[in-house]
Amino acid sequence: DAKTTQPNSMESNEEEPVHLPCNHSTISGTDYIHWYRQLPSQGPEYVIHGLTSNVNNRMASLAIAEDRKSSTLILHRATLRDAAVYYCILDMEYGNKLVFGAGTILRVKS
Amino acid sequence: NAGVTQTPKFRVLKTGQSMTLLCAQDMNHEYMYWYRQDPGMGLRLIHYSVGEGTTAKGEVPDGYNVSRLKKQNFLLGLESAAPSQTSVYFCASSYSRTSPGTDTQYFGPGTRLTVL
Repeated sequence: DAKTTQPNSMESNEEEPVHLPCNHSTISGTDYIHWYRQLPSQGPEYVIHGLTSNVNNRMASLAIAEDRKSSTLILHRATLRDAAVYYCILDMEYGNKLVFGAGTILRVKS
Repeated sequence: NAGVTQTPKFRVLKTGQSMTLLCAQDMNHEYMYWYRQDPGMGLRLIHYSVGEGTTAKGEVPDGYNVSRLKKQNFLLGLESAAPSQTSVYFCASSYSRTSPGTDTQYFGPGTRLTVL
């Protein structure tokens, strides 16, 4: 299975943008890039996904490198409620299985 | 919509005891999953189901059994609990995989299980 590499932790100030990086150098052409996050004591929740083009939704933006070997999740204005573990996951076509790594712990300071 | 619910929320077992965790979803999803999460780690897939009456093994299936007798329910059983099965268990569901890579999994709140 293709793997992802994320920093163990990051810190941000409230109301500032946050860029969470993810490396996936072994990604194949049909792998989608998914981001989930897990708030304390909760189950993971979907954030965003993409294949080749940059994507925006109400929660975040996903910037995908041209060679698809890396991507960045962008939270435009971090709030205290965004403090969570963020998982970057490669979802293989018809794989039906999300493989979670350890993720990035995001701490937001007020 | 309640989404994905899990019963119970907490449970303490003694080694060798058995129990069943219940997952229910009201979104008419075809696919359901059971994961476990150990402290400081990501989730690992135990078993999953692609439809009523079907189940398949995930990454860490040993020591667990599952059943999907009804579309909305997915049961996870521990026949003889061991301390290594102390973990938080999450259930998830998703609509289908007809559009590859575009499906979203919806997770329940988790069941915290301790085996003494």
